[in-house]
Amino acid sequence: QKEVEQNSGPLSVPEGAIASLNCTYSDRGSQSFFWYRQYSGKSPELIMFIYSNGDKEDGRFTAQLNKASQYVSLLIRDSQPSDSATYLCAVIGNFGNEKLTFGTGTRLTIIP
Amino acid sequence: DGGITQSPKYLFRKEGQNVTLSCEQNLNHDAMYWYRQDPGQGLRLIYYSQIVNDFQKGDIAEGYSVSREKKESFPLTVTSAQKNPTAFYLCASSERNQPQHFGDGTRLSIL
Repeated sequence: QKEVEQNSGPLSVPEGAIASLNCTYSDRGSQSFFWYRQYSGKSPELIMFIYSNGDKEDGRFTAQLNKASQYVSLLIRDSQPSDSATYLCAVIGNFGNEKLTFGTGTRLTIIP
Repeated sequence: DGGITQSPKYLFRKEGQNVTLSCEQNLNHDAMYWYRQDPGQGLRLIYYSQIVNDFQKGDIAEGYSVSREKKESFPLTVTSAQKNPTAFYLCASSERNQPQHFGDGTRLSIL
């Protein structure tokens, strides 16, 4: 089992709809969870981070964390063509060494 | 401007050659990291350093070496022992318990 798993996609969503990206992790003691956006040929850019169970909202983005189910998600409301990118889920495990483990990413395409 | 600077943007390595990728940050972050990304893949950790003069191996350290003589600098050397060096190399830094932020990356190819 991979430490951090994401559906590789591609995920196609109509413009204006909600895009839902999912991530599961294997280390039950993981403490910190991050979503990065990566445009083709560019470096990852931090979108959201979440540490506690529940929802965290920032503009059109909402991160959801369920530690009991070992599941973290990213919702993008009112999707725009500029949201088309690969979204990387990353997790810091319970090791105290700040090591980030990344999923392989989900490629999202917003259809105008 | 505060940020992380990686150079060069593109680098070519000849057979049997060692090459060094530069990473400099002026964010005063204690921790610095090197990742490798292959096409269609996530990021894999090569080395990381949480304090000057100390660093630890990541998941794929074989064929790579690093140094951390100054807080703002964390160069990565890709040695001739790394048989498949072609990849996108990313440097990141962070404060303790804070998210990591990335430089623009270096693309390394074999001549």
